[in-house]
Amino acid sequence: NAGVTQTPKFQVLKTGQSMTLQCAQDMNHEYMSWYRQDPGMGLRLIHYSVGAGITDQGEVPNGYNVSRSTTEDFPLRLLSAAPSQTSVYFCASSLEGATEAFFGQGTRLTVV
Amino acid sequence: AQRVTQPEKLLSVFKGAPVELKCNYSYSGSPELFWYVQYSRQRLQLLLRHISRESIKGFTADLNKGETSFHLKKPFAQEEDSAMYYCALRGYQKVTFGTGTKLQVIP
Repeated sequence: NAGVTQTPKFQVLKTGQSMTLQCAQDMNHEYMSWYRQDPGMGLRLIHYSVGAGITDQGEVPNGYNVSRSTTEDFPLRLLSAAPSQTSVYFCASSLEGATEAFFGQGTRLTVV
Repeated sequence: AQRVTQPEKLLSVFKGAPVELKCNYSYSGSPELFWYVQYSRQRLQLLLRHISRESIKGFTADLNKGETSFHLKKPFAQEEDSAMYYCALRGYQKVTFGTGTKLQVIP
């Protein structure tokens, strides 16, 4: 099992560009989520999904879109990148219910 | 609303000293609490969860509903414990993390 796989690991964008961060899991987990990790701010929830076709906003959704067309994939789209979106992004998945969340290795994004 | 507070950004202790990483939470329902750890250059991983009441790598955490706390403790710190520690709360459909505490164990 690969677990949770995020691509790319590193990315540099210019202000205004758009891109998609990929997240895939092979554990048949219903619940998937995206977080951003910033110094002093911890992990903040951007968007989450409780199953295919269902998504909802977290604490900091502005500037990001998600979709969940399959159980395995949960891509995060930056519509028009801004320097404030410079961060490390983590994708996580878990079975529905109070169980362990499995994290990807993270994507370090720099917007210049 | 659900909230997790970790008041210390950095905790430095000497090797062999006791460790306590503080975590307080706010949630109107019955919470599920977790501690996650992130070692240098590695992904976050679960350390322990309150429902299992287990000890992992010498760490324990007890849920105190009266004080709404879930502090992480270890009687004798080891150098390999140096890492970022995040307290997390799973409420209805969402998992909320605290801001994290960096534990630095001084040899």
